[in-house]
Amino acid sequence: EIVLTQSPGTLSLSPGERATLSCRASQTITSNYLAWYQQKPGQAPRLLIYGASNRATGVPDRISGSGSGTDFTLTISRLQPEDFAVYYCQQYGRSPLFTFGQGTKVDIK
Amino acid sequence: QLQLQESGAGLVKPSQTLSLTCTVSGGSISSVDYSWSWIRQPPGKGLEWIGYIYHSGGTYYNPSLKSRVTISLDRSKNQFSLTLTSVTAADTAVYYCARRKMSGDDAGSYFDFWGQGTLVTVSS
Repeated sequence: EIVLTQSPGTLSLSPGERATLSCRASQTITSNYLAWYQQKPGQAPRLLIYGASNRATGVPDRISGSGSGTDFTLTISRLQPEDFAVYYCQQYGRSPLFTFGQGTKVDIK
Repeated sequence: QLQLQESGAGLVKPSQTLSLTCTVSGGSISSVDYSWSWIRQPPGKGLEWIGYIYHSGGTYYNPSLKSRVTISLDRSKNQFSLTLTSVTAADTAVYYCARRKMSGDDAGSYFDFWGQGTLVTVSS
């Protein structure tokens, strides 16, 4: 069974700073089937990135994804107030078909 | 605009069956371009995929839950449903329904629309 490990658990930053979130897989993710979601308190997750680096509709270009194989990164170039949230990575293809990381919380320093 | 809305009992007794329905509006669950999933999130914890159903009615479940899960379609009501049997406190979670796009770039590999979620508590 594949495991996704996100780091750090919490990232404390100020608005305008750069956020770099990591997602490491215990096995190679086939065809870069790696997605990222943003979740705010009391809300459902929102798709940000699919295929490791493709922005979903409406996602601002300050948010970007990169990586391949087992190491993936979500970068927010200049944090805006609305970016403070929990971020999850998700893989597709390895058993149990869909797996999520445990999340990284980006909070205001 | 597509909308998904979960509904069902918010409190279930241990050993009983959890039943939830997701009503889809603004799109058809019979479309070949999409499949429909259930995902859950225990309070304060991460996300766990439960299973999905295709427009044809074919299903695929998380092996860890497979013996207790059934997902079904009701095309006349544009709904799909989740039943989870023999529940315990460990099944307490917010349950989300979500859509997978089965066409285009990286087809089927992510969830592009989610319902708002419904909290189900397992307690006597």
